[in-house]
Amino acid sequence: AQSVTQPDIHITVSEGASLELRCNYSYGATPYLFWYVQSPGQGLQLLLKYFSGDTLVQGIKGFEAEFKRSQSSFNLRKPSVHWSDAAEYFCAVGPRDTGFQKLVFGTGTRLLVSP
Amino acid sequence: EAQVTQNPRYLITVTGKKLTVTCSQNMNHEYMSWYRQDPGLGLRQIYYSMNVEVTDKGDVPEGYKVSRKEKRNFPLILESPSPNQTSLYFCASSLTGGIVDYGYTFGSGTRLTVV
Repeated sequence: AQSVTQPDIHITVSEGASLELRCNYSYGATPYLFWYVQSPGQGLQLLLKYFSGDTLVQGIKGFEAEFKRSQSSFNLRKPSVHWSDAAEYFCAVGPRDTGFQKLVFGTGTRLLVSP
Repeated sequence: EAQVTQNPRYLITVTGKKLTVTCSQNMNHEYMSWYRQDPGLGLRQIYYSMNVEVTDKGDVPEGYKVSRKEKRNFPLILESPSPNQTSLYFCASSLTGGIVDYGYTFGSGTRLTVV
């Protein structure tokens, strides 16, 4: 079955430390891939997206993500976390055969930043 | 400012009392969609619309109705709300629903409680 998995429900990172949030997908063909961030009480904001080409994608707020076809993964990274990065992060996929009609979200990872 | 506007932000209602959550976008987007967000389940698609007068079911459409009479508006209707529809609802829009696009723009959310 097609699915998006974010294995970590919560992650706590010290301010200034590096961050990696995991995302794995299960689809027949490589889908479009996205990361969104949801700050408390806010809607979702697009951080970055991957359609094709360079497998390392740069996004806003200093985030990047790497697409690894062999691992069906699209992990989100940031070299140095700031307290304002505390939020919930969602990985999402859009199957290429249905475009954005069926954008599917993972269950989210809540990031906590400790002083 | 380009945005998706949802109203109300918070709503408490009683079982069986019909309600409408409004969604409006000012970006001339063709594609609009409704999601509900529940703890541990991420975002699940309720309905989507590719354009005016074109709507289709998402993954969890039971108990909901939508209409798309104008391009900018995509209201979500609960004819007879039940407690299991207590959730956080998001409206989203996108330039098109096709395979080349730029992601969704989300509204700020509507927190609905049905008692």
